[in-house]
Amino acid sequence: DQQVKQNSPSLSVQEGRISILNCDYTNSMFDYFLWYKKYPAEGPTFLISISSIKDKNEDGRFTVFLNKSAKHLSLHIVPSQPGDSAVYFCAAIPTTSGTYKYIFGTGTRLKVLA
Amino acid sequence: DSGVTQTPKHLITATGQRVTLRCSPRSGDLSVYWYQQSLDQGLQFLIQYYNGEERAKGNILERFSAQQFPDLHSELNLSSLELGDSALYFCASSVGFNSEQYFGPGTRLTVT
Repeated sequence: DQQVKQNSPSLSVQEGRISILNCDYTNSMFDYFLWYKKYPAEGPTFLISISSIKDKNEDGRFTVFLNKSAKHLSLHIVPSQPGDSAVYFCAAIPTTSGTYKYIFGTGTRLKVLA
Repeated sequence: DSGVTQTPKHLITATGQRVTLRCSPRSGDLSVYWYQQSLDQGLQFLIQYYNGEERAKGNILERFSAQQFPDLHSELNLSSLELGDSALYFCASSVGFNSEQYFGPGTRLTVT
């Protein structure tokens, strides 16, 4: 049972345009969400997070939006750069469980075309 | 560089064998987490240790075990290996048991 889903395995975007990566979750106990970026042969690196008490969090070119009623979050990258080409994972946590047990999606491979 | 180190980087072994993967957390981090990433899958949480004690368990097989030592490094032991155990194994660390995690570069295990 996949509690966190990234339904688009891949996405191609032109340099300078917006990249939108989507993530859906099923467990209403999830109250903290993160996005990680992963380059080949490296471990995932933390990108941005959002708590369920917010609906938006911004950090430079990266913005995460959370729609709790739809159990949906998205990561917007504006403008997209070739260096953003990587696999992006969303992760969700039920922090009330007392542990940061991340539940990851299967990832979306973003390719930014120069 | 996240500050989390994992050894070895690559490991090739045969079915039925036993291997040990090692992880050194970032300086000051007390929590260590282990994840498995199989082909085209997300990262599956295996187990978490906090300051030497098991804190949370995920989808970890009985053939797998882990421990965290007094110096806070951790080892993941995989035994009676099967072809399906071939995967990337990541270790992550965090300061506490409820703070953001930093991942190591992973160990690629190939079982032939």
